[in-house]
Amino acid sequence: QVQLVQSGTEVKKPGASVKVSCRASGYAFTKYYMHWVRQAPGQGLEWMGIVNPSGNTNYAQEFQGRVTMTSDTSTSTVYLEVSSLTSEDTGVYYCARRAGRPGDPFEIWGQGTMVTVSS
Amino acid sequence: IQLTQSPSSLSASVGDRVTITCRASQGISNYLAWYQQRPGKAPKLLIYAASTLQSGVPSRFSGSGSGTDFTLTISSLQPEDFATYYCLQLDSYPLTFGGGTKVEIK
Repeated sequence: QVQLVQSGTEVKKPGASVKVSCRASGYAFTKYYMHWVRQAPGQGLEWMGIVNPSGNTNYAQEFQGRVTMTSDTSTSTVYLEVSSLTSEDTGVYYCARRAGRPGDPFEIWGQGTMVTVSS
Repeated sequence: IQLTQSPSSLSASVGDRVTITCRASQGISNYLAWYQQRPGKAPKLLIYAASTLQSGVPSRFSGSGSGTDFTLTISSLQPEDFATYYCLQLDSYPLTFGGGTKVEIK
C-alpha cells in the first residue's frame, strides 16, 4: 500500500543539526512532490517547504538558509536537514505527498518524527 | 496568504451539527483542504477542492465555499470526531494552514 515511513526520534543539543528521512513505497516516487510540515508541541501545523523528485526546492522564508531538502530517487527517499537548532525547533516533523496539479492536497502523510532540542 | 479559522475551540455533544469557518486574506479559488488531527497522529485529509469528500471519509463531513470564505460542516457529531481541524490553502506558495479548531466534548 502507499505509505511514507519516517526515521525515528531525535534528541539534539542547541546548535547541532538533524537529518530526518522519509521513505516512500507503493507508488511511483517520481510522479509526486514531497512537502515537510512542522508541529511544535501543542501548536498548529506549519509548512516548511517542498522538494520535487528532481531535487528542486521551495522553502518557507522562515526556514531559508537553515533547511535543506533533498531527494534520492534510487531509494525513493527524501531528506530534511535542519541546522543551527534551537529549542524552538522542538516538535514533530511530517513529510506529506502531493501531486503536482493546482489545488492538489497532501493526501498521504508520514507518521511523524519527533525532534527534541535540549541542552 | 493568511488563513483565519474560527472558532479556535468549541464544545459540542454527540449528534450536534458543527460548523467551522476558514477565511483567506485573498482569493484562493477553491484551492482549500480540510484536515482532522487526533492527538499523537498525523493529519488526515477530509475535504479537498473546498467541497470534494476524500475517499473513505464519512458523508457527515462536508465542505463549501470559494474565493475567501470556506466552511467545514459535521452534520451529526460522532465520538470519533472529537479532534482538531485545520484548513490549508493550496493556491500559492508559501502554503499556509489555519490556526486550528479543537472540537471538544460538552
